[in-house]
Amino acid sequence: EIVLTQSPGTLSLSPGERATLSCRASQSVSSIYLAWYQQKPGQAPRLLIYGASSRATGIPDRFSGSGSGTDFTLTINRLEPEDFAVYYCQLYDSSRTFGLGTRVEIK
Amino acid sequence: EVQLLESGGGLVQPGGSLRLSCAASGFTFRNYVMSWVRQAPGKGLEWVSALSGSSGSTYYADSVKGRFTISRDNSRDTLYLQMNSLRAEDTALYYCAKALAEHQLLGALDHWGQGTLVTISA
Repeated sequence: EIVLTQSPGTLSLSPGERATLSCRASQSVSSIYLAWYQQKPGQAPRLLIYGASSRATGIPDRFSGSGSGTDFTLTINRLEPEDFAVYYCQLYDSSRTFGLGTRVEIK
Repeated sequence: EVQLLESGGGLVQPGGSLRLSCAASGFTFRNYVMSWVRQAPGKGLEWVSALSGSSGSTYYADSVKGRFTISRDNSRDTLYLQMNSLRAEDTALYYCAKALAEHQLLGALDHWGQGTLVTISA
């Protein structure tokens, strides 16, 4: 079973700063099956990135995804107030597993 | 506009059963793999089950295999999750979600409902 480890658990940043979130797989995976979601309190998750680097419809270009093999990154350039949320990576191959999430909080 | 509306949650005793529904609109339901994902209070996301558009392929997390059954009625654009032998650890908000692309067995989830709460307690 592949495990996705997200780090850090919490990221404290100020609006305007850059956020770099990591998702590490316990073994090499195909990047075409790696997604990132954003979840705000009381809301359903929202798809941000699929295929490791493709932005979903309507997602601002300050969100970008990268990586391959075991290491994947979600970068949020110039944090906006609405970006403070919890972010999950997901491997949607046959395992369909989620990471435990990274909380991006206002410093 | 894609809409997913879950219903059927509630308070059930351990060992009991519950059937969740997810009414879909705004897309050609029969062409998409649909999934259930749950989130225990204050916890992260856990994928539960998925079902192909034709109902020919079903997938379950190990934690629910043998207890939960996913199904769909394409004539009613509705997804179901029959949950039996419920345990305290099944307590969660249950979301239904749609795959990103048509006929994609392995796909990211691009639309989610608002969830229905299932509480298992004596």
